[in-house]
Amino acid sequence: DGGITQSPKYLFRKEGQNVTLSCEQNLNHDAMYWYRQDPGQGLRLIYYSQIVNDFQKGDIAEGYSVSREKKESFPLTVTSAQKNPTAFYLCASSLAKNSPLHFGNGTRLTVT
Amino acid sequence: AQSVTQLDSHVSVSEGTPVLLRCNYSSSYSPSLFWYVQHPNKGLQLLLKYTSAATLVKGINGFEAEFKKSETSFHLTKPSAHMSDAAEYFCVVSPGGSQGNLIFGKGTKLSVKP
Repeated sequence: DGGITQSPKYLFRKEGQNVTLSCEQNLNHDAMYWYRQDPGQGLRLIYYSQIVNDFQKGDIAEGYSVSREKKESFPLTVTSAQKNPTAFYLCASSLAKNSPLHFGNGTRLTVT
Repeated sequence: AQSVTQLDSHVSVSEGTPVLLRCNYSSSYSPSLFWYVQHPNKGLQLLLKYTSAATLVKGINGFEAEFKKSETSFHLTKPSAHMSDAAEYFCVVSPGGSQGNLIFGKGTKLSVKP
């Protein structure tokens, strides 16, 4: 079955540590996205990529970094510079920018 | 500038009664509009989309939405709620082409009482 796999489902880290969230898709989509979800705030775009080896900042990119070395993979690193990293992180993909999105099941990150 | 407003943060209905989730948008262009559903601790799933064809759009699980340009609205409805409809629903506007990014509403949590 085609889809998006995010791992791990739950992640716990100590403050000051960088952490990398995995996102893999086998839908052959060109565009991939990372969103952050906080209660009552909807989804906010962190980074997106429309093609391999290229990515752009979204609305809340500070404290995050990404890479897109392969079409299938778009890992997100939450750095120690992110002031409030505890959140639910969603990865998505689409055929093209602003086409309907296919989402993974998310990673819930808790930083203490 | 584009924006989207979901008018209710929480809606509660009884099983078997109609569902109405309200969404208003603002767009300088002819927008594409979507509704997504999210069950707890899951990703979002596309319910339906409007892309300037028919103004009444039918989606999955018996949901439908009507695009009303004069009212800048795209409300989501279902004639009869089921317990499995309890979830959070997001209205999303696409600014069109490669201009800007998708804009998500803040979500409406739907509760269904037995």
